[in-house]
Amino acid sequence: QQQVKQSPQSLIVQKGGISIINCAYENTAFDYFPWYQQFPGKGPALLIAIRPDVSEKKEGRFTISFNKSAKQFSLHIMDSQPGDSATYFCAAITNSGYALNFGKGTSLLVTP
Amino acid sequence: KAGVTQTPRYLIKTRGQQVTLSCSPISGHRSVSWYQQTPGQGLQFLFEYFSETQRNKGNFPGRFSGRQFSNSRSEMNVSTLELGDSALYLCASSLQTSGAQYFGPGTRLLVL
Repeated sequence: QQQVKQSPQSLIVQKGGISIINCAYENTAFDYFPWYQQFPGKGPALLIAIRPDVSEKKEGRFTISFNKSAKQFSLHIMDSQPGDSATYFCAAITNSGYALNFGKGTSLLVTP
Repeated sequence: KAGVTQTPRYLIKTRGQQVTLSCSPISGHRSVSWYQQTPGQGLQFLFEYFSETQRNKGNFPGRFSGRQFSNSRSEMNVSTLELGDSALYLCASSLQTSGAQYFGPGTRLLVL
């Protein structure tokens, strides 16, 4: 059973545009919500993460928005660049857990 | 600090054989987790070790096993390989439970 649902499956954005990827979860015990970026042939790289006590976290061009009541969180990539073209995964883990629960991933293509 | 390293990077095996994959975590990280990544199932948790003890195991058959050594290095073993075991096997290390997990480049296993 997929504990974290991610959409869209694929996304095409023009250079300079905003990329938005959404995730939803059901388990209210989830305590930590990271986003990973994966390039072909590489392992996932931790991009940015948030805990449920804040509604937004920004690091450079990457922002996580978190809505605890709706059990949703999203990644916004501002000023998207061709180098951002990759697969993005959201994930969640409980405060006593050891296993990241991943979304199915979003393949992002940023066109020049 | 050096990142998570995994060896070998690529492996080709035939059905029925067994395989051992190795992972060296980031220095100071005592938690090591293993994940399987396939196009169909995405990223799935295999197991997690901390101080040589398996603390959690995912929904995989007993053919999948692992261990952790006193220096935190970890190995996973898959016996009686099946075609469906072809995947990217990823190791991740972390400093604490429910914290950031950092992934290695993975071992690409092809079972013929």
